[in-house]
Amino acid sequence: IAGITQAPTSQILAAGRRMTLRCTQDMRHNAMYWYRQDLGLGLRLIHYSNTAGTTGKGEVPDGYSVSRANTDDFPLTLASAVPSQTSVYFCASSEGLRGADTQYFGPGTRLTVL
Amino acid sequence: LAKTTQPISMDSYEGQEVNITCSHNNIATNDYITWYQQFPSQGPRFIIQGYKTKVTNEVASLFIPADRKSSTLSLPRVSLSDTAVYYCLVGSSGFQKLVFGTGTRLLVSP
Repeated sequence: IAGITQAPTSQILAAGRRMTLRCTQDMRHNAMYWYRQDLGLGLRLIHYSNTAGTTGKGEVPDGYSVSRANTDDFPLTLASAVPSQTSVYFCASSEGLRGADTQYFGPGTRLTVL
Repeated sequence: LAKTTQPISMDSYEGQEVNITCSHNNIATNDYITWYQQFPSQGPRFIIQGYKTKVTNEVASLFIPADRKSSTLSLPRVSLSDTAVYYCLVGSSGFQKLVFGTGTRLLVSP
């Protein structure tokens, strides 16, 4: 089934550790996104990529980095995790380059930083 | 940056029509209005999108007045499975300007 996969499903991480959240899409979409979702704050954009080889910062990029080596993969890295990064992380993709294009979301990764 | 404002929560009963309004006073000329639905422990999914007037699909209708400063998502005859969080999103030309907001939590009771 076409769509977006994320790994791991959940993770408990010690503060200070490095962690990479994986995201893969098989729809050949140009644009990909990473959001975090916290209770009462809705979805906030961390980073985005509008095509392979390019990335940009969203609303809350500090403490996170991304790369887009190819069309399908868009990993999110926490270089040194802190408790405030405890959240549910969603990866999404869209076909076009317009901000209004429909986004397709993955199932999410629940990350707990202790 | 087109900020949106929605009610935090709404309650309804099965079989009723539910209307959720979103305010977006500074919507730009090229912006589209998109609604997403999110169930617990799942990512959001697209429901409907429009630019002006009315759009209808198999699950919802979207009403947009002429000034486009607000929009209303209409869910006809809701069921328990429509219990979810609904997000209004105003799309702008740059990816970094996408703002989901906190959404509206709809609870449908028997």
